[in-house]
Amino acid sequence: QLQLQESGPGLVKPSETLSLTCTVSGDSIRNKNYYWGWIRQPPGKGLEWIGNINFDGITYYKPSLKSRLTMSVDTSRNQFSLRLTSVTAADTAVYYCARRYTSGFFFDYWGQGALVSVSS
Amino acid sequence: QSALTQPASVSGSPGQSIAISCTGTSSDVGSHNLVSWYQQHPGKAPKLIIYEDTKRPSGVSNRFSGSKSGSTASLTVSGLQAEDEAAYYCCSYTGSNNLVFGGGTDLTVL
Repeated sequence: QLQLQESGPGLVKPSETLSLTCTVSGDSIRNKNYYWGWIRQPPGKGLEWIGNINFDGITYYKPSLKSRLTMSVDTSRNQFSLRLTSVTAADTAVYYCARRYTSGFFFDYWGQGALVSVSS
Repeated sequence: QSALTQPASVSGSPGQSIAISCTGTSSDVGSHNLVSWYQQHPGKAPKLIIYEDTKRPSGVSNRFSGSKSGSTASLTVSGLQAEDEAAYYCCSYTGSNNLVFGGGTDLTVL
């Protein structure tokens, strides 16, 4: 059974960098059939797609976040990561990692989510 | 890349059917058969219930169905049950490997 687990600091100061890692178990992140994605949800609000990455490091980012966003993959650890720079309170959200088929634009497995608060 | 438009809330009594709309544009919902729907209970991760407009993943109740007309997709939940009370989100491919979600709809089972 595929499982995804987000990890990282729960509190980040304004203007600093938010970093999260998603650990995948039950499947190889090298599987060419999948992309790996990040979605976030501000408290009490809706879902927002952030971006996707595959095992080759090919990335697709939400255009409005592209200038602050970097995604990477570590195949040796079966993990992929998110870095968001220059954060503000508007970046406070539950961040989910999820799996997406290469040939499909939907997320079939999700992590439980990690709350990241941006506050001084 | 504006969010897709969903009603903020819908409600229905047990056993009834309800429909949730998801309105986009000719560049997203209307251009591709790539709308998905997610169910989210409070404090939980979203769960995929419909993909590619009308397909249902294995294990999802056949009380959930998807459809589309032009730039508006719809999720129908038939035979409402108490456990269906949740938030529902649509999501569409917008081109260039980008995705956009709807604002979400809270379903209340009366």
